[in-house]
Amino acid sequence: DAKTTQPTSMDCAEGRAANLPCNHSTISGNEYVYWYRQIHSQGPQYIIHGLKNNETNEMASLIITEDRKSSTLILPHATLRDTAVYYCIVRVWRGSGTYKYIFGTGTRLKVLA
Amino acid sequence: KAGVTQTPRYLIKTRGQQVTLSCSPISGHRSVSWYQQTPGQGLQFLFEYFSETQRNKGNFPGRFSGRQFSNSRSEMNVSTLELGDSALYLCASSPGQGENTGELFFGEGSRLTVL
Repeated sequence: DAKTTQPTSMDCAEGRAANLPCNHSTISGNEYVYWYRQIHSQGPQYIIHGLKNNETNEMASLIITEDRKSSTLILPHATLRDTAVYYCIVRVWRGSGTYKYIFGTGTRLKVLA
Repeated sequence: KAGVTQTPRYLIKTRGQQVTLSCSPISGHRSVSWYQQTPGQGLQFLFEYFSETQRNKGNFPGRFSGRQFSNSRSEMNVSTLELGDSALYLCASSPGQGENTGELFFGEGSRLTVL
């Protein structure tokens, strides 16, 4: 199965952009990259996902390298409420319309006032 | 639209006992998956159910089992509890088929402590 590697922790100043990297060098051509975040023992919350192209929504931007071996989640203007653990996930095709989500160990982002 | 509901939120058991956790998915969602989260192992996939059938299974011993009912509600059961089963058990629902974002909607989790 594809595996994701993320830094254990990062700090970011409030109001600045937070750039969270993820390595998924074993990803296959049809496997999507998803990002979720988890705020202190709540259930993970969906942020964004992508396959090949860069994606943007109201929460964040996702930049995927051309070889798809890594990606970066960008929170353009981090706030204190963005302090959370961010998970980079690969969705693996299992056949017959089913998928399996491979969670990495996550990056603990701390936004500093 | 109501979110994913998990019950109970907290529970304490002793070694050797069994436990049943419940998950009610978002209305209209037919897929329910379960994850175990521990500080040491992170989030690990347990199994996924769709239309009352187990579609995927993670690498957990047979003590971990689950089922899904016709209304898509799901339960998971852990028998002969061990100390290492202490964890946050998360349930996630999704439509489960067709073209969709693939987004998983998670509940708040059931925190199990085994003494």
